[in-house]
Amino acid sequence: EVQLVESGGGLVQPGGSLRLSCAASGFTFSSYWMSWVRQAPGKGLEWVANIKQDGSEKYYVDSVKGRFTISRDNAKNSLYLQMNSLRAEDTAVYYCARELRLGYGDYVVWYFDLWGRGTLVTVSS
Amino acid sequence: DIQMTQSPSSLSASVGDRVTITCRASQSISSYLNWYQQKPGKAPKLLIYAASSLQSGVPSRFSGSGSGTDFTLTISSLQPEDFATYYCQQSYSTPTTFGQGTRLEIK
Repeated sequence: EVQLVESGGGLVQPGGSLRLSCAASGFTFSSYWMSWVRQAPGKGLEWVANIKQDGSEKYYVDSVKGRFTISRDNAKNSLYLQMNSLRAEDTAVYYCARELRLGYGDYVVWYFDLWGRGTLVTVSS
Repeated sequence: DIQMTQSPSSLSASVGDRVTITCRASQSISSYLNWYQQKPGKAPKLLIYAASSLQSGVPSRFSGSGSGTDFTLTISSLQPEDFATYYCQQSYSTPTTFGQGTRLEIK
């Protein structure tokens, strides 16, 4: 079955650290860009970071730059998000998402075609 | 960053109604616009990509249109399972950004 399963969420104090994992199965993980997307309680979706197939390119939303690190292990079909210096505003459900990229002539269309169920991160004292 | 603004923020409608949700980008994004449906406690689900292409398995009552800065998602005849929150997303530039969501409720 094609799926993504996140783990590693929990309660952490402000300033603390947490490492999220996403286990991929049922598809060739190493062929896809991957992202983390979060959703604060009762709020909308916010993209956090993404990483290229071989890990050579990584991008982050400004609010997490210097605090979060995205990485992957293609041999283990796994995606990670190391979160340091956590703040109350980082409280959210964190989703792992696959990016599907399609070439149309000179341009590339991409979108999130597969999502995990999410893992809740709560930053509170 | 490109700002995405959806309207309305919430909408009440009845089964069988035709519904249109609008998404506006703060600058031109060509057709780099995707739509997702999210139900409470669930992950988002892709409906439409590249502004008007229907994702495989999505019912044909869903359709998308637009280019540049203005886009619409239309549900031609609402079904009970369509009551959810809908998000647009631009994939034109990094960071990718989402609209604030449109909550579709039963009237």
